[in-house]
Amino acid sequence: DGGITQSPKYLFRKEGQNVTLSCEQNLNHDAMYWYRQDPGQGLRLIYYSQIVNDFQKGDIAEGYSVSREKKESFPLTVTSAQKNPTAFYLCASSTQRTGMNQPQHFGDGTRLSIL
Amino acid sequence: GENVEQHPSTLSVQEGDSAVIKCTYSDSASNYFPWYKQELGKRPQLIIDIRSNVGEKKDQRIAVTLNKTAKHFSLHITETQPEDSAVYFCAANPGSGNTGKLIFGQGTTLQVKP
Repeated sequence: DGGITQSPKYLFRKEGQNVTLSCEQNLNHDAMYWYRQDPGQGLRLIYYSQIVNDFQKGDIAEGYSVSREKKESFPLTVTSAQKNPTAFYLCASSTQRTGMNQPQHFGDGTRLSIL
Repeated sequence: GENVEQHPSTLSVQEGDSAVIKCTYSDSASNYFPWYKQELGKRPQLIIDIRSNVGEKKDQRIAVTLNKTAKHFSLHITETQPEDSAVYFCAANPGSGNTGKLIFGQGTTLQVKP
């Protein structure tokens, strides 16, 4: 899925610092998602957005924030309030079709570590 | 809340054998069930999905079966090859509305021995 680009690939955060992960897609998808992946666990939903200028909390939104000012972009900020941010972060996107879930396509991920 | 349980957590098979991974879901309104394959350090990739209006779907060596009554679905891989080695995730949508949300299982690490 070369249409979803996440950057950077690796990111290091200092204590008390906010960091922003980038996610861009050129698939013309309406919906975008952020997941967190920890070793031995499945993907857990942080935030999702079905349309520009609107987004909803997922299951583990505390300590994270997002914005959706453009259709193709859905940046995720990991704030200092997130006490255990070390994880692999995956962004995904999908088309929207009334009444039917559509396949989600993933980016290559960003691995965030604490210094 | 919604939950997806996946078993087994690890599975080792001999090349050429079949592999079966099972998932159960809690929300009876769920109607979309994708399966993803994730190789080490790479992105999850959709390998097959099924909707609740069918009971089985096949794509070459891969098949998925769905039992809505029992609320479980399974991935079947036949004639396994070493390149099938990866982590496999099942998922289901929370049934209330078309939000696009998916709930993922914990993953199954499949090892295919040559």
